[in-house]
Amino acid sequence: AQSVTQLDSHVSVSEGTPVLLRCNYSSSYSPSLFWYVQHPNKGLQLLLKYTSAATLVKGINGFEAEFKKSETSFHLTKPSAHMSDAAEYFCVVSALPNDYKLSFGAGTTVTVRA
Amino acid sequence: DTAVSQTPKYLVTQMGNDKSIKCEQNLGHDTMYWYKQDSKKFLKIMFSYNNKELIINETVPNRFSPKSPDKAHLNLHINSLELGDSAVYFCASSQERPPNTGELFFGEGSRLTVL
Repeated sequence: AQSVTQLDSHVSVSEGTPVLLRCNYSSSYSPSLFWYVQHPNKGLQLLLKYTSAATLVKGINGFEAEFKKSETSFHLTKPSAHMSDAAEYFCVVSALPNDYKLSFGAGTTVTVRA
Repeated sequence: DTAVSQTPKYLVTQMGNDKSIKCEQNLGHDTMYWYKQDSKKFLKIMFSYNNKELIINETVPNRFSPKSPDKAHLNLHINSLELGDSAVYFCASSQERPPNTGELFFGEGSRLTVL
């Protein structure tokens, strides 16, 4: 079975400061990992994905994430937060070769203070 | 041009009614999905179709019935609506099956409120 845990339900940062969203996963197989962002009243949009290539993955809008197998983590970071980064962020894992399902984390709400 | 479009965006109805949500994608993808997002923002897959074939059917009440007339459309019909059905329903599509090497493209959601 696969699962994902987002360690923070809510993160609040000041504009221009770094953002860190933490995600741990559990999987019996080599996972594919994703971060999605959901802005208010919108659908989810893919930020970045890891699929067994480079462990440091760069995504859109200046976000990046690092896959650490030894720590079973896939934390999302951004060096400098912008007001437009205020949104809900989901860490997602897919692990079994024949499993069509993705497992979503519970989400982290990011607020950005001016 | 919207890639994945859902209608209606908002739906308010009484308990016991039957309602449908429609979804269309113009991306040429082979696989489509319905997800339910509850009030705590938790996302759970309900159904998935690949080229009109049902490939994922999670444990949902049989009051929920998906229908895929062609690979660009996936509709969700709900009979005898209950209060607990209130949620945001997202349609999504992906090129690949399974989706673990690709991305999902989501619609903007349909907010269902059952009174």
